[in-house]
Amino acid sequence: GDSVTQTEGLVTLTEGLPVMLNCTYQSTYSPFLFWYVQHLNEAPKLLLKSFTDNKRPEHQGFHATLHKSSSSFHLQKSSAQLSDSALYYCALSDRMGYKLTFGTGTSLLVDP
Amino acid sequence: NAGVIQTPRHKVTGKGQEATLWCEPISGHSAVFWYRQTIVQGLEFLTYFRNQAPIDDSGMPKERFSAQMPNQSHSTLKIQSTQPQDSAVYLCASSPGQGDERLFFGHGTKLSVL
Repeated sequence: GDSVTQTEGLVTLTEGLPVMLNCTYQSTYSPFLFWYVQHLNEAPKLLLKSFTDNKRPEHQGFHATLHKSSSSFHLQKSSAQLSDSALYYCALSDRMGYKLTFGTGTSLLVDP
Repeated sequence: NAGVIQTPRHKVTGKGQEATLWCEPISGHSAVFWYRQTIVQGLEFLTYFRNQAPIDDSGMPKERFSAQMPNQSHSTLKIQSTQPQDSAVYLCASSPGQGDERLFFGHGTKLSVL
């Protein structure tokens, strides 16, 4: 079945350093990929969604590139901020584009 | 717009008791989803409804879990004979539909089974 793999459970960075959170997926079709972010005591919310035309989505300084050849959708940011500390989930849509399958999540902790 | 509302925020039950979790989706959204969140498994899909009709319950443990959506303004997730392994945060989400499939999550219900 469809699956998403996030290999890092915890990533710790110093403020100002670049961020990269890994996401790979397995699917028998070409799904949409998503990143959701959950700050402490808040609900998860959408951060990014892949485009059908291979444009690179960007939001709040974060971007991700869908590489179909390697089945990856890594999340990147050039300079981490303290406020980026949160739990990040990668997800893919089902064939109809409705149901999302999530990975296990990566906690990002940014230190001053 | 109050967002997706889930009640209660916290629920403590004894082993073998029943737990009912409530979700009020965003008005006008056509789909409602239930997910279970744990540290080990992350966000696990349970079930979803579209226009109140059950579409996919492939993630639901068959024997003790059930979900309903009796009207467009609320959905319930019921767990019978709760077990300690059911302890988790249960998240409800709704999405607008009609080409906009973003999920808008509630804050969740933290279920603790003692």
